Amino acid sequence: EAQVTQNPRYLITVTGKKLTVTCSQNMNHEYMSWYRQDPGLGLRQIYYSMNVEVTDKGDVPEGYKVSRKEKRNFPLILESPSPNQTSLYFCASGQGYYNSPLHFGNGTRLTVT
Amino acid sequence: KQEVTQIPAALSVPEGENLVLNCSFTDSAIYNLQWFRQDPGKGLTSLLLIQSSQREQTSGRLNASLDKSSGRSTLYIAASQPGDSATYLCAVRPLGYGQNFVFGPGTRLSVLP
Repeated sequence: EAQVTQNPRYLITVTGKKLTVTCSQNMNHEYMSWYRQDPGLGLRQIYYSMNVEVTDKGDVPEGYKVSRKEKRNFPLILESPSPNQTSLYFCASGQGYYNSPLHFGNGTRLTVT
Repeated sequence: KQEVTQIPAALSVPEGENLVLNCSFTDSAIYNLQWFRQDPGKGLTSLLLIQSSQREQTSGRLNASLDKSSGRSTLYIAASQPGDSATYLCAVRPLGYGQNFVFGPGTRLSVLP
């Protein structure tokens, strides 16, 4: 089944403890992206990747890192999480950037205490 | 800067009604517009993608139109069902390399049996 898989689905952690949220897609998509969704603020893009080894900042990149060493994987890294990074995170992928639909994972709900 | 708004913010209708959800964007320089559905606690599911050169797209009971020059799109749902209850979001893909997707805040739809 074609899908975008995120792990974990739920994560509770403490301030400053490094964490990684994994994202993997099995559709051979070139484009991948991370979003966070917050009440009243909607979906905001954190980072995106047009292809392997090519990443760029979205609207809210502060406090996050990403890497794209393989086409299928695009992990989101929080080196020193803070409470303001408590949010619902989504990974998405697309065949290309310009004219193909976005496919989303089921989300990771992160709580930083 | 591209901004996307959606009206209404919430809508409640009885089963069987036809309904229209609205999406407006401020800059007509886009590649395409995409409509998504989001169920509580879940990711976004792509419903329809309209390229900038197209006027409408149809899938089953759903029909999406695009008027790029006026910065508007509508999602028409025919013969609504309780299973259509969800939040519906639209997103535009601006022209230009590296331009981030811009999402609307969504319309929360409740279809009452």
